[in-house]
Amino acid sequence: GENVEQHPSTLSVQEGDSAVIKCTYSDSASNYFPWYKQELGKRPQLIIDIRSNVGEKKDQRIAVTLNKTAKHFSLHITETQPEDSAVYFCAASSSNFGNEKLTFGTGTRLTIIP
Amino acid sequence: GAVVSQHPSRVICKSGTSVKIECRSLDFQATTMFWYRQFPKQSLMLMATSNEGSKATYEQGVEKDKFLINHASLTLSTLTVTSAHPEDSSFYICSARSGDNPYNEQFFGPGTRLTVL
Repeated sequence: GENVEQHPSTLSVQEGDSAVIKCTYSDSASNYFPWYKQELGKRPQLIIDIRSNVGEKKDQRIAVTLNKTAKHFSLHITETQPEDSAVYFCAASSSNFGNEKLTFGTGTRLTIIP
Repeated sequence: GAVVSQHPSRVICKSGTSVKIECRSLDFQATTMFWYRQFPKQSLMLMATSNEGSKATYEQGVEKDKFLINHASLTLSTLTVTSAHPEDSSFYICSARSGDNPYNEQFFGPGTRLTVL
């Protein structure tokens, strides 16, 4: 099955600086890669996703890049703000019917230092 | 966006009892619902996938007789933890997805924190 690794497990960034979180996946059939933000005790919320037919996607201060050959994808947050502090999870799934479940990474606890 | 609710939000029970957790999609029809378990400071681990009207598909290592899943309608799925033990204490989160398109976003419920004494 799919295995998703995520690094780093914790990340502290000065407010205004950029944060980068990286994930690798093992199943070459995976073609959908969402990122979730989870605040303490709350539900995960989708912040951005990318499909395997594109290499990069951007939404305001958030961007995701995908390298299919190397099987890794990254989340980039620019101009970080205190409200960006949370745990971020990457995930991967295949759109093949019967196998379209999400496999999550281990999470990154991001702390923005004011 | 789509709303998924869970009930109860917190439950404390004695060892050996059973606990039922409900997951509802409030404003859309959920063809597929997923049940996850999350231990403190850990990732979400998929327990099972359920499609309306059919039996749930359980992940390896998840006991189907212990974690009973029912997806009787397009808006409701239930997870029953039978004969709960302290090691079953965890944060249980459901998610729901509409349609058959696996690219459709999964919307997560707020989670249920189960504590077994």
